[in-house]
Amino acid sequence: AQTVTQSQPEMSVQEAETVTLSCTYDTSESDYYLFWYKQPPSRQMILVIRQEAYKQQNATENRFSVNFQKAAKSFSLKISDSQLGDAAMYFCASIIQGAQKLVFGQGTRLTINP
Amino acid sequence: DSGVTQTPKHLITATGQRVTLRCSPRSGDLSVYWYQQSLDQGLQFLIQYYNGEERAKGNILERFSAQQFPDLHSELNLSSLELGDSALYFCASSVDGTPPDEQFFGPGTRLTVL
Repeated sequence: AQTVTQSQPEMSVQEAETVTLSCTYDTSESDYYLFWYKQPPSRQMILVIRQEAYKQQNATENRFSVNFQKAAKSFSLKISDSQLGDAAMYFCASIIQGAQKLVFGQGTRLTINP
Repeated sequence: DSGVTQTPKHLITATGQRVTLRCSPRSGDLSVYWYQQSLDQGLQFLIQYYNGEERAKGNILERFSAQQFPDLHSELNLSSLELGDSALYFCASSVDGTPPDEQFFGPGTRLTVL
């Protein structure tokens, strides 16, 4: 079975600071993909960043980067220079090669303090 | 704007009733997914269609059904509604329905069952 766990229901950070959101996952498959989605108050699900399990290099998208630790089955999201617009629910998700469904974690609510 | 449209945005109905949620995928996308987001269950995959055919099924209740039409739009039918069916229902679409295909999410339909 495929599971994704986010152990931080809420996080807060000062504007312009750096914050790291944690995610662990479990799968017996070797070929899979990991994602971070952002859900702002508008409720729209927006893809922030993705990581292919076969790639050793950590993915980076502007101020967003991941720390992918395959052996530990850990996939954390680092947001640098936090901005007020980063305030949202963040969901970690995984999908295995050959499957069709995204499996989501419970989410972390991120608050940005001005 | 992801290019995926969902109607209606909000739906309020009573227990025992039946509703239909509609989704139009991005132009060129052949695959449609339905997800349910509720407070107690989180984000869960319901069902996937590819080019009119059902491809994968998740935690979809027997009271729920879906289909994808020749023009590739999809409908999710929810019947004998219960209070617990109140949730945000997302539709997502992707090009061919196989990872690492990115799933683009629509804005969701908020269903309230009274």
